[in-house]
Amino acid sequence: QKEVEQNSGPLSVPEGAIASLNCTYSDRGSQSFFWYRQYSGKSPELIMSIYSNGDKEDGRFTAQLNKASQYVSLLIRDSQPSDSATYLCAAGGGSYIPTFGRGTSLIVHP
Amino acid sequence: DAGITQSPRHKVTETGTPVTLRCHQTENHRYMYWYRQDPGHGLRLIHYSYGVKDTDKGEVSDGYSVSRSKTEDFLLTLESATSSQTSVYFCAIQTGSGANVLTFGAGSRLTVL
Repeated sequence: QKEVEQNSGPLSVPEGAIASLNCTYSDRGSQSFFWYRQYSGKSPELIMSIYSNGDKEDGRFTAQLNKASQYVSLLIRDSQPSDSATYLCAAGGGSYIPTFGRGTSLIVHP
Repeated sequence: DAGITQSPRHKVTETGTPVTLRCHQTENHRYMYWYRQDPGHGLRLIHYSYGVKDTDKGEVSDGYSVSRSKTEDFLLTLESATSSQTSVYFCAIQTGSGANVLTFGAGSRLTVL
């Protein structure tokens, strides 16, 4: 059974701080990793993808991948109230069937 | 915009009635998926399709069937709805340059009384 584990939260951070979201995965064959953001009542939207060990930066977002530890993280710098949402981690292999975690709720308070 | 629409967006029905949800895409993507999302369970795959008339089961397929007679349409049918099928249903298509990159529809909220 392929599993992706996330702390459900909520994770509460003050505006302007760094939010750190984490996820672990069980399938060592996973090759691609994703972070989706889901606002309340809306559908998930892709914000980051990462395929190689190390860091990948896109604006205020940094995804980090450590395949040896089977660990993926998302850092959000200068967090804004508009970043308040649920963040879903997903892992995929060659099957075109990604496995999603249950999501971490992030609250950024002014 | 990936051009994916779901219908209906909201539906209330009674136990035992059949329900069909429709997912329509405009960009000729091969892979399409149906997920349900429930509090505490995250996104769970119901069925997916890898081409016209090519479908397979996901982790929570019991009580659901699907059909894909055209590339652009992927239908999810609940033959006899139960209260446990009250959920938000998301259709997704595989887009982007890499495998497993999904774009989701807006969702269909189904309530079974």
